[in-house]
Amino acid sequence: GENVEQHPSTLSVQEGDSAVIKCTYSDSASNYFPWYKQELGKRPQLIIDIRSNVGEKKDQRIAVTLNKTAKHFSLHITETQPEDSAVYFCAASGRTNAGKSTFGDGTTLTVKP
Amino acid sequence: DTAVSQTPKYLVTQMGNDKSIKCEQNLGHDTMYWYKQDSKKFLKIMFSYNNKELIINETVPNRFSPKSPDKAHLNLHINSLELGDSAVYFCASSVSGKTEAFFGQGTRLTVV
Repeated sequence: GENVEQHPSTLSVQEGDSAVIKCTYSDSASNYFPWYKQELGKRPQLIIDIRSNVGEKKDQRIAVTLNKTAKHFSLHITETQPEDSAVYFCAASGRTNAGKSTFGDGTTLTVKP
Repeated sequence: DTAVSQTPKYLVTQMGNDKSIKCEQNLGHDTMYWYKQDSKKFLKIMFSYNNKELIINETVPNRFSPKSPDKAHLNLHINSLELGDSAVYFCASSVSGKTEAFFGQGTRLTVV
């Protein structure tokens, strides 16, 4: 089955700096890669996603890149703010895994004011 | 309007008891899931149902039994609760795994 690895597990940055979180996946048939943000005590919520026919996607301060050949994708947050502090999960899903999204283990991002 | 709702939000119970968590979605999605989030924040899938049919059953003790009476509901029944079952359980739904998963607010289960 699909295996998703996420790094780093914790990340601390100064406000205004950039943050990068990386994920690798194992199933080459995976074609949908969402990123979720989970604030303390809340539910995970989608912040951005990318499909396998696209190499990069940007939404304001957030961007995601996908390298299908290397089977890795990354989340980039620029000009970080304290409200960006949360746990971020990457996930991968596709045709062969019957609708299941496999999640990475999460990255706890702390943005220091 | 609430998209995915699960009840109860908190559940405290003694070891050995049987409990149920209910989940409903009004998004018209065809796939529903149960995830377990432990104290380390790992999100692990337990079950997935597509159009009321079980399609994924990860390595979960058979004390956990999901039931999907229709496409909009997926309930989780747990027998003989153990201390290690303490966690936050999230229900979620999507369109056949091809779109984002919408999560319920979670049920914090504490077994004492």
